[in-house]
Amino acid sequence: EDQVTQSPEALRLQEGESSSLNCSYTVSGLRGLFWYRQDPGKGPEFLFTLYSAGEEKEKERLKATLTKKESFLHITAPKPEDSATYLCAVLNTDKLIFGTGTRLQVFP
Amino acid sequence: DSGVTQTPKHLITATGQRVTLRCSPRSGDLSVYWYQQSLDQGLQFLIQYYNGEERAKGNILERFSAQQFPDLHSELNLSSLELGDSALYFCASSDSPRGEQFFGPGTRLTVL
Repeated sequence: EDQVTQSPEALRLQEGESSSLNCSYTVSGLRGLFWYRQDPGKGPEFLFTLYSAGEEKEKERLKATLTKKESFLHITAPKPEDSATYLCAVLNTDKLIFGTGTRLQVFP
Repeated sequence: DSGVTQTPKHLITATGQRVTLRCSPRSGDLSVYWYQQSLDQGLQFLIQYYNGEERAKGNILERFSAQQFPDLHSELNLSSLELGDSALYFCASSDSPRGEQFFGPGTRLTVL
């Protein structure tokens, strides 16, 4: 069965303290891995798409990487406005399967 | 702002009732997706339409149905509502069946 597991469930960081979020997956025929950011009560906001192992994408303080079994979202020198839930999803044929997310809190 | 619009923002109704949620995709996007997000289950894929045709189905209950109209907007119909149907319902759209999905702001459904 296709599955996406994110860890940790929650992460508290001090402003400027870099860290990484993990997304491990088992899927038959990966057609893409997506990262989203979701603020409470809002719709997920698209961040990155990764298609093949070794691929990397960057945007401001965020960098996403992909291997054959997992993806990492690296957050460098985070700020309080980076606080949100980060969701990972894998595309299997035409269905997007989401993990339950990592809830990130960055405090000053 | 993703360009995807959903109405209404909030909906409060009683058990046994029927409601309709509406979604307008981003300009030019042919694919529309519906998701349910509850506290204990995360984002669950319900159904996908591409240019008016149903393309993929997830864990959608028989009490739920959807359609995509010629102008590409979509409606999700929920009937015989139960307390457990209370959740956030999101619509997303993409320009192709395997492209990045852009989400709307959601409809919060409360069943009393």
